[in-house]
Amino acid sequence: GQNIDQPTEMTATEGAIVQINCTYQTSGFNGLFWYQQHAGEAPTFLSYNVLDGLEEKGRFSSFLSRSKGYSYLLLKELQMKDSASYLCAVRDGDYKLSFGAGTTVTVRA
Amino acid sequence: DADVTQTPRNRITKTGKRIMLECSQTKGHDRMYWYRQDPGLGLQLIYYSFDVKDINKGEISDGYSVSRQAQAKFSLSLESAIPNQTALYFCATSDSGIQETQYFGPGTRLLVL
Repeated sequence: GQNIDQPTEMTATEGAIVQINCTYQTSGFNGLFWYQQHAGEAPTFLSYNVLDGLEEKGRFSSFLSRSKGYSYLLLKELQMKDSASYLCAVRDGDYKLSFGAGTTVTVRA
Repeated sequence: DADVTQTPRNRITKTGKRIMLECSQTKGHDRMYWYRQDPGLGLQLIYYSFDVKDINKGEISDGYSVSRQAQAKFSLSLESAIPNQTALYFCATSDSGIQETQYFGPGTRLLVL
């Protein structure tokens, strides 16, 4: 199975930057995904990394280091609507996704 | 219109009852998945199907069964519901390309009394 760790909660101020870390141990690796999930709603896709390095998409960036089993999601210029849970998910050698428990980000005015 | 739909959206049932959750998609994806989500836990894979004739168990398949009636439809059944199956259930789909991003339905909130 997979072991995926991310912090449970983070709080930040509107306009600030927050970095959500994710560490993983997997049997095989075929990509890492970040999803955003608002309370009671479906997860929605944010980013995908399969090679080492940084992927930037507007206010959101995601970084991957395969040798360290480490990724982070960077949220810039935080807005109130960014208050949500952020899920780190790793695809294994059998192409199944395993999810971390999620990091709840609260954005304060 | 939503690409991935789930019915019902909410369901209350009693212990021992059989219940079916349905998932339909218009994305044209081959691959479909059923997950459950419990507070404080990550999404857990119940079953998945890579095409109409393919069914695979996930990490928590005990007490569940599935049917892939067509490319666009994937149903999850609880043969005899028990209270610890109370959870939020999500269906997801993906294509079979390089990235295979999974897209989720809106979820079914199930309460077993």
